[in-house]
Amino acid sequence: GEQVEQLPSILRVQEGSSASINCSYEDSASNYFPWYKQEPGENPKLIIDIRSNMERKQIQELIVLLDKKAKRFSLHITDTQPGDSAMYFCAASSSSGSWQLIFGSGTQLTVMP
Amino acid sequence: GGIITQTPKFLIGQEGQKLTLKCQQNFNHDTMYWYRQDSGKGLRLIYYSITENDLQKGDLSEGYDASREKKSSFSLTVTSAQKNEMAVFLCASSIREEQYFGPGTRLTVL
Repeated sequence: GEQVEQLPSILRVQEGSSASINCSYEDSASNYFPWYKQEPGENPKLIIDIRSNMERKQIQELIVLLDKKAKRFSLHITDTQPGDSAMYFCAASSSSGSWQLIFGSGTQLTVMP
Repeated sequence: GGIITQTPKFLIGQEGQKLTLKCQQNFNHDTMYWYRQDSGKGLRLIYYSITENDLQKGDLSEGYDASREKKSSFSLTVTSAQKNEMAVFLCASSIREEQYFGPGTRLTVL
């Protein structure tokens, strides 16, 4: 089936630095790319998303970039804080079914004080 | 705003047992989903439903049944629990592409 590859699986950064997570997708018809943050014991929460008519979107310290030609998108967290430590998942919409999302395997981010 | 509730929060079963997980949403969303999440891993789609009484298989549907009894509720049945199985089952709902997740049911099979 369709795949979304997410790297790295583990990321450790110093507080105040930037963190970047990269995803690639296969389906050229994908047009919606959300990012979810999941803290231990909690459900995934939508933190930012981008649609295929955009190349860049920023919400506060979160920046998402989309390169449709390369079929890649990325999340950048600037000025990381310990509260940013969590599992992050990227996803891409699937053209094979109504409102299906294909999820990446996740990145465990740890921000060290 | 709205909320998704999942019951039970924790489920302990025996090998071979049939187990049912329930999900309710009051967003009035059309589409609902069931995902399985294994420890430290991504989400895999089991079933989804685009409207009441509709059912669509995901990549992981084998070993599961589902039922969309009404727009607000979507239940999942593990047809025969596997020994030592441990996973979190997440329910989600969406009105278009944006999916919102419930708190999950944590399954342990003894």
